[in-house]
Amino acid sequence: DVQLVESGGGLVQPGGSLRLSCAASGFAFNTYWLHWVRQAPGKGLVWVSRINGDGTSTTYADSVKGRFTISRDNAKNTLYLQMNSLRAEDTAVYYCARDKYYTSDYWGLGTLVTVSS
Amino acid sequence: QSALTQPPSVSGSPGQSVTISCTGTSSDVGASDYVSWYQQHPGKAPKLMIYDVTKRPSGVPDRFSGSKSGNTASLTISGLQAEDEADYYCYSYAGSYTWVFGGGTKLTVL
Repeated sequence: DVQLVESGGGLVQPGGSLRLSCAASGFAFNTYWLHWVRQAPGKGLVWVSRINGDGTSTTYADSVKGRFTISRDNAKNTLYLQMNSLRAEDTAVYYCARDKYYTSDYWGLGTLVTVSS
Repeated sequence: QSALTQPPSVSGSPGQSVTISCTGTSSDVGASDYVSWYQQHPGKAPKLMIYDVTKRPSGVPDRFSGSKSGNTASLTISGLQAEDEADYYCYSYAGSYTWVFGGGTKLTVL
């Protein structure tokens, strides 16, 4: 079965950094693009970032460009999101999702990031 | 990267049909064969209900159907059931390897 398990969330001060991880299993990890999607408390889903199978191509939402970096370690079947210069508006549950032909078909349960002093 | 436009809420009685619209632009919904719909119950991860505008993943009831006309995609749920009460989000490829979600629609089964 496909499984995606996010970790690394927590409380961080404004301006701080955090690295999220997403451990994957049950599929050929290095052949799939992956996404990060976030959801602020009580708000809607927002696409954050995408990475291709070998990690050579990445894209970002304008709201995080220059502050967040998506990466992957195919040897460890793990996706990452390095988040720097965090702001209060980055507070959200962060989901990783597998891409299948431009659709996110499997999702993790999410990890909560809270940016607050 | 503006969010797609969905009605904030829709409602219907058990057994009825409801349709949720999702309006974008000629750069996303209008240009894309890759429009999806997700169902999200409170505190849960989103679940894929429709992909490629009209296709249903295995296990999704055929009460759920998708369509698109111009810059507007739609999700129709027929034969409403209590368990359909949830938030629904549309999602479209927007070109240049970027994607965009709709703002979400809360479905209430009366």
